[in-house]
Amino acid sequence: KQEVTQIPAALSVPEGENLVLNCSFTDSAIYNLQWFRQDPGKGLTSLLLIQSSQREQTSGRLNASLDKSSGRSTLYIAASQPGDSATYLCAVRLGVGNNDMRFGAGTRLTVKP
Amino acid sequence: ETGVTQSPTHLIKTRGQQVTLRCSSQSGHNTVSWYQQALGQGPQFIFQYYREEENGRGNFPPRFSGLQFPNYSSELNVNALELDDSALYLCASSLGLGDTQYFGPGTRLTVL
Repeated sequence: KQEVTQIPAALSVPEGENLVLNCSFTDSAIYNLQWFRQDPGKGLTSLLLIQSSQREQTSGRLNASLDKSSGRSTLYIAASQPGDSATYLCAVRLGVGNNDMRFGAGTRLTVKP
Repeated sequence: ETGVTQSPTHLIKTRGQQVTLRCSSQSGHNTVSWYQQALGQGPQFIFQYYREEENGRGNFPPRFSGLQFPNYSSELNVNALELDDSALYLCASSLGLGDTQYFGPGTRLTVL
């Protein structure tokens, strides 16, 4: 059974710091991995999607890496800003024809001005 | 192009009642999935619909049921509500099976 874990559960950093969020999954047979952002009480905004054959994806100040064999992904945020404060969720998709995504519980990030 | 929309935004029900939540897919999307997100947890997959038929289901009892209409909008129905059904319900649409999912803002259900 695929289980997704995110560490740490919460993180508080001063503005301008670079930071890394971690995601691990127990079964390496994934189709892809996706990072989302969720603001309090809101829906999910997709940040980056990495296919199982890829090693990393970049978008602006965000960089996500995937090491499928070890069951790990990281989300790197450069030069953090107060507007980055949110919960960050990672999710793995189990198969190409399957929309079943397994989510971690998220990391709640606070960036202090 | 409009995104995924959900209604209502908030809902309060009492135990034992029934509820219907609605989702309008992004234009051109024929696949919709529903998720339940309890407070402090990640979303859990309930089921997905592809071209009006259920095409996958998570570990939820039969009192969670759904429909997808010819215009690909969707409903989630929950019967015999329990206190643990209190959660944020998210729907997500995609162009097809396995494609990137786009999430709606969610419906916050409170069961008293």
